[in-house]
Amino acid sequence: AQKITQTQPGMFVQEKEAVTLDCTYDTSDPSYGLFWYKQPSSGEMIFLIYQGSYDQQNATEGRYSLNFQKARKSANLVISASQLGDSAMYFCAMREANTGNQFYFGTGTSLTVIP
Amino acid sequence: DAGVIQSPRHEVTEMGQEVTLRCKPISGHDYLFWYRQTMMRGLELLIYFNNNVPIDDSGMPEDRFSAKMPNASFSTLKIQPSEPRDSAVYFCASSLIWGTSGRSDTQYFGPGTRLTVL
Repeated sequence: AQKITQTQPGMFVQEKEAVTLDCTYDTSDPSYGLFWYKQPSSGEMIFLIYQGSYDQQNATEGRYSLNFQKARKSANLVISASQLGDSAMYFCAMREANTGNQFYFGTGTSLTVIP
Repeated sequence: DAGVIQSPRHEVTEMGQEVTLRCKPISGHDYLFWYRQTMMRGLELLIYFNNNVPIDDSGMPEDRFSAKMPNASFSTLKIQPSEPRDSAVYFCASSLIWGTSGRSDTQYFGPGTRLTVL
């Protein structure tokens, strides 16, 4: 089974609107971390936000927030007030504390912000 | 603070040639990772180091690939001989620690090296 699933290959959003990028994960480890990265067309991978499995509150970093629903095993990224510069690929990733050494990445979602 | 530095940013070479990719991790980070990204396979972990020691190289595709970390501030990934199927973007990343699943496990990526083997 896939450890990280991103079901939206491509998304479009109007500038200044909010958008949610979906991420579901699969783990039996009670301790894990979830990470989101942005990859613009220039190619670099930029860390955006982190959520720990024991965190009581949803993580927020500026215009980025994480809608963490532990029972559903989902960690959706919410981008508020979209900007043209938000157009990029977005990757969800997971690190399990007790099983393996892998950083599991999803296949990514391509976000296009329309002016 | 400087992020992860990689060189070169772009490399074009001919099949059979040796290719060396270079990485300088963030100062103070004990873990260094090499990844390869292709459209077909996404991001693949090739190898990672802890305190300059290779810990897991199970992702290295074959003997043509080798990686070293002679000191805490420098690592190389070498491909010899290179083949067209090695064409990809190679990323180096570093993290403060690795294994807790906490925020300090965050991997910070370099800008990548786009390798084209003709």
